[in-house]
Amino acid sequence: DVVLTQTPPTLSATIGQSVSISCRSSQSLLDSDGDTYLNWLLQRPGQSPQLLIYSVSNLESGVPNRFSGSGSETDFTLKISGVEAEDLGVYYCMQATHAPLTFGSGTKLEIK
Amino acid sequence: QIQLVQSGPELKKPGESVKISCKASGYTFTDYAMHWVKQAPGKGLKWMGWINTYTGKPTYADDFKGRFVFSLEASASTANLQISNLKNEDTATYFCARGEILDYWGQGVMVTVSS
Repeated sequence: DVVLTQTPPTLSATIGQSVSISCRSSQSLLDSDGDTYLNWLLQRPGQSPQLLIYSVSNLESGVPNRFSGSGSETDFTLKISGVEAEDLGVYYCMQATHAPLTFGSGTKLEIK
Repeated sequence: QIQLVQSGPELKKPGESVKISCKASGYTFTDYAMHWVKQAPGKGLKWMGWINTYTGKPTYADDFKGRFVFSLEASASTANLQISNLKNEDTATYFCARGEILDYWGQGVMVTVSS
């Protein structure tokens, strides 16, 4: 199974600060169809996960553009440019290139 | 608007069975696969598998073969998850999520297994 390693496991930020979360894959996530099925999700406290970014860098509809995704093959990054209070929660990367679908272990974002 | 509404919390004893539902609305049900994801208390997300809502064919992750069954009531735009012979380690929140990119999620169903 593909292992996704997220760092850091926890992150503390002030409002307005920019932060990045890394997700490294044990295998290349470039699919034979040319797409890379690496997504980012946010799970706010007590809520279900919400899709933020799909296929590395595509912003899901309705998601603020302070969120951005980048990377390729095995190294991926989620950046939040100007953290807001509502961004607190656990961020997960997720891959769907290789079966079974797997998730990273999560990065908890706390607001100082 | 697109919604996935799941059934309510369940309290079961070891050895019992439970059936969880996920009712979709706001889109054509058979156009998107339905995935199931487990989250144990205080833990991360674990993919259980998915069901092709057009053909009804289920696919299970290795850890969820045997006691877990995905099914459909397509006429009611509903996907179901049934767990038999419940064990303490099945205590978790179970989510349904739509499509290849898991773009919409149900609110989750908390299943508690306790004697």
